[in-house]
Amino acid sequence: RKEVEQDPGPFNVPEGATVAFNCTYSNSASQSFFWYRQDCRKEPKLLMSVYSSGNEDGRFTAQLNRASQYISLLIRDSKLSDSATYLCVVNMQPRGSTLGRLYFGRGTQLTVWP
Amino acid sequence: GAVVSQHPSRVICKSGTSVKIECRSLDFQATTMFWYRQFPKKSLMLMATSNEGSKATYEQGVEKDKFLINHASLTLSTLTVTSAHPEDSSFYICSARATDASGYTFGSGTRLTVV
Repeated sequence: RKEVEQDPGPFNVPEGATVAFNCTYSNSASQSFFWYRQDCRKEPKLLMSVYSSGNEDGRFTAQLNRASQYISLLIRDSKLSDSATYLCVVNMQPRGSTLGRLYFGRGTQLTVWP
Repeated sequence: GAVVSQHPSRVICKSGTSVKIECRSLDFQATTMFWYRQFPKKSLMLMATSNEGSKATYEQGVEKDKFLINHASLTLSTLTVTSAHPEDSSFYICSARATDASGYTFGSGTRLTVV
């Protein structure tokens, strides 16, 4: 089983739509959680961290449910510029290691059309 | 903010040759460097983790003699793909973690095409 699972999509939505992405992780000892955005042929860029209390950054809202090991990202009022691949990322400390490393989901592709 | 400079951004090489990819942390000390590979429509897969001054730790299935990693200083790590073959064509990305483990900074990636 993969450490991080997410629906690869693709999601094709019109401008102004609300779209939600989901992700699950397998290791309950996971320590921190993120959503990254990756544009075609570019490196991933941090979109936002995800906290159990839920957090919002403008049109983006992220939620974490530790009990069900579930992470979500909600994008409201989609813009053309939101078209990208969204990566669910979990920071975990492998057994025997004193520091963590990132585990990436395969990404969910979003296309926003005019 | 923290910046990692990765070069080259794109390289085309002949089968059997070696290619070196460099990642430099410009304004911080990178104790740990992670090297990833990403195939089209796939996620980033960790290849190896290197700590400055130590031998790299390779993930299962990654050949250490083929993917040579050097992390001789706190600001420079290199990945050399030796005797490259077409199946090594991929997007290679480095990610540095600072000494204070404050976060991860990604290089801009290297697109390798082996012909």
